[in-house]
Amino acid sequence: EIVLTQSPDFQSVTPKEKVTITCRASQTIGSSLHWYQQKPDQSPKLLIKYGSQSFSGVPSRFSGSGFGTDFTLTINSLEAEDAASYYCHQSSSFPLTFGGGTKVEIK
Amino acid sequence: EVQLLESGGGLVQPGGSLRLSCAASGFTFNTCAMSWVRQTPGKGLEWVSAISGSGGTTYYADSVKGRFTISRDNSKNTLYLQMNILRAEDTALYYCAKVPNSSGYLFDYWGQGTLVTVSS
Repeated sequence: EIVLTQSPDFQSVTPKEKVTITCRASQTIGSSLHWYQQKPDQSPKLLIKYGSQSFSGVPSRFSGSGFGTDFTLTINSLEAEDAASYYCHQSSSFPLTFGGGTKVEIK
Repeated sequence: EVQLLESGGGLVQPGGSLRLSCAASGFTFNTCAMSWVRQTPGKGLEWVSAISGSGGTTYYADSVKGRFTISRDNSKNTLYLQMNILRAEDTALYYCAKVPNSSGYLFDYWGQGTLVTVSS
């Protein structure tokens, strides 16, 4: 099973600040890494697919990078509406797995 | 507009059974793989099971293998999860999720979830 380790677990950030979340895979997964945003009491929403491809309708301040085992989700100029938990997910092999999540709080 | 509407959750005793349903609309259902993902209240996401568009290939997490069965009825645009021998640790919000056409198993749309509580 591929283990995804996200960091940090929690981040408190002021608006307009830049946020960086990392996801490390226990073995190489190529670009098969995806990012989701989950706001309180809502279902997850796809942000980034295959490491760096933005999903339709996602604001341009969200971007992803990485390949192999190390991946990054970046939120440029954080907005209040970005308060949420963020999860990485690998589709390289079954069982599919998720990272433990990063909660982003707005100061 | 893609819509996924789960139903069938509820309170069940340990050892009991439950069948979840997910009614899909807004896309060509039989061309898309589908999946179930669960989330324990206040915790993270756990993938449960997936099924190909035709229904011919299925995948399961080790934690549910032999107890849960995923299936689909493409004539009814509906995904199912039959859950047997339920345990307390199966308590979670169960999401139905759609896989993009001709894609690896990522999830581009999710339902709102249906809550399963296993307790005596």
